[in-house]
Amino acid sequence: DTAVSQTPKYLVTQMGNDKSIKCEQNLGHDTMYWYKQDSKKFLKIMFSYNNKELIINETVPNRFSPKSPDKAHLNLHINSLELGDSAVYFCASSQDGGGDRGDTQYFGPGTRLTVL
Amino acid sequence: LAKTTQPISMDSYEGQEVNITCSHNNIATNDYITWYQQFPSQGPRFIIQGYKTKVTNEVASLFIPADRKSSTLSLPRVSLSDTAVYYCLVGVPRAGGGNKLTFGTGTQLKVEL
Repeated sequence: DTAVSQTPKYLVTQMGNDKSIKCEQNLGHDTMYWYKQDSKKFLKIMFSYNNKELIINETVPNRFSPKSPDKAHLNLHINSLELGDSAVYFCASSQDGGGDRGDTQYFGPGTRLTVL
Repeated sequence: LAKTTQPISMDSYEGQEVNITCSHNNIATNDYITWYQQFPSQGPRFIIQGYKTKVTNEVASLFIPADRKSSTLSLPRVSLSDTAVYYCLVGVPRAGGGNKLTFGTGTQLKVEL
């Protein structure tokens, strides 16, 4: 009964490939997010969706395309993977919409992506 | 571009009080300050949130001065299990409007016997 789940937990792939990471939340929240945590542990927001609608895109390369089939799911597809994409990607969700008021967020366990 | 900064690391001993400060001098006027804890190979976990003055819950206190340009997370009587990375999270005004969720640089707390 994990609140926010992500699959896969680990992803190792070659440069140039396309890959997807899936996220699901069973908290009934309206807003979901994707974050990237680099090797120095810096956390940066990438996207935010509210009720399946994109509300924040923090100048992420268009190789990254989030998709929200319903408000409980937010998937991240990455095209033409590059070495610099190697990081841990976290999905999160929060109750309220807007995504920019610091609402309490619940994070998934993360997906460690390694691009060779 | 002003960053949301924290000390890189702090060391403490069991039973001591630990105070971790986050500097966020360009915080949005309408946004809250939230602190998260992260253990290795896990996602961040909510600790406490506040807007101004002082907030206390069962695990921590949060002190916010009147100008809100910084905040201090206070952990009373830490134990070994409090060894983790601690992040502040604030909203910073975005050039195009709205606020950008910005995590602090993170503080690695190490608690020893």
